Amino acid sequence: QKEVEQDPGPLSVPEGAIVSLNCTYSNSAFQYFMWYRQYSRKGPELLMYTYSSGNKEDGRFTAQVDKSSKYISLFIRDSQPSDSATYLCAMSGSRGAGSYQLTFGKGTKLSVIP
Amino acid sequence: EPEVTQTPSHQVTQMGQEVILRCVPISNHLYFYWYRQILGQKVEFLVSFYNNEISEKSEIFDDQFSVERPDGSNFTLKIRSTKLEDSAMYFCASRARENTEAFFGQGTRLTVV
Repeated sequence: QKEVEQDPGPLSVPEGAIVSLNCTYSNSAFQYFMWYRQYSRKGPELLMYTYSSGNKEDGRFTAQVDKSSKYISLFIRDSQPSDSATYLCAMSGSRGAGSYQLTFGKGTKLSVIP
Repeated sequence: EPEVTQTPSHQVTQMGQEVILRCVPISNHLYFYWYRQILGQKVEFLVSFYNNEISEKSEIFDDQFSVERPDGSNFTLKIRSTKLEDSAMYFCASRARENTEAFFGQGTRLTVV
């Protein structure tokens, strides 16, 4: 079983739609959860960072963490063509060595059609 | 806004040559990382660096790889004898503390021919 599973898509939605992106994970040591946006051949850009279970909102973005189900989500409201990118989930937790390295999902490619 | 900067943006090298990829992490950050992403694949952890030493490394980070923080600002990744399969995007990242947000640079695209 892979540590982090993420549907690679591609996902295509009309402008203004609500987008739901999800990841599941198997390692209960993961405590910190991040969503990154990555444009083609560019570095991951941090969108959201959460620690505990629950919701966190930032503008049109809402991150949701359910540690009991080992499931995280990112919702994008009023999606725009500029949101077209690959969205990566990433997570970290103590591995004993204390490096808190990030483990990434494969990324979901999103296209928002005008 | 502070950012992680990487140079060069693209490097082409012949198989067997040594390459050094450079990164300037965010200035008050203490934890530094290298990740790589082979085209079409997921971002993979290579190595973490804290307090002037490697704190963790992956199976990918074999004897051909080394990291260094030669001064107070630069953080480098050296590949001693490049192989074709080293072709990838290499990302540097930094964190203020071990459990805070990780910020990534724009990456260096390494092409080994």
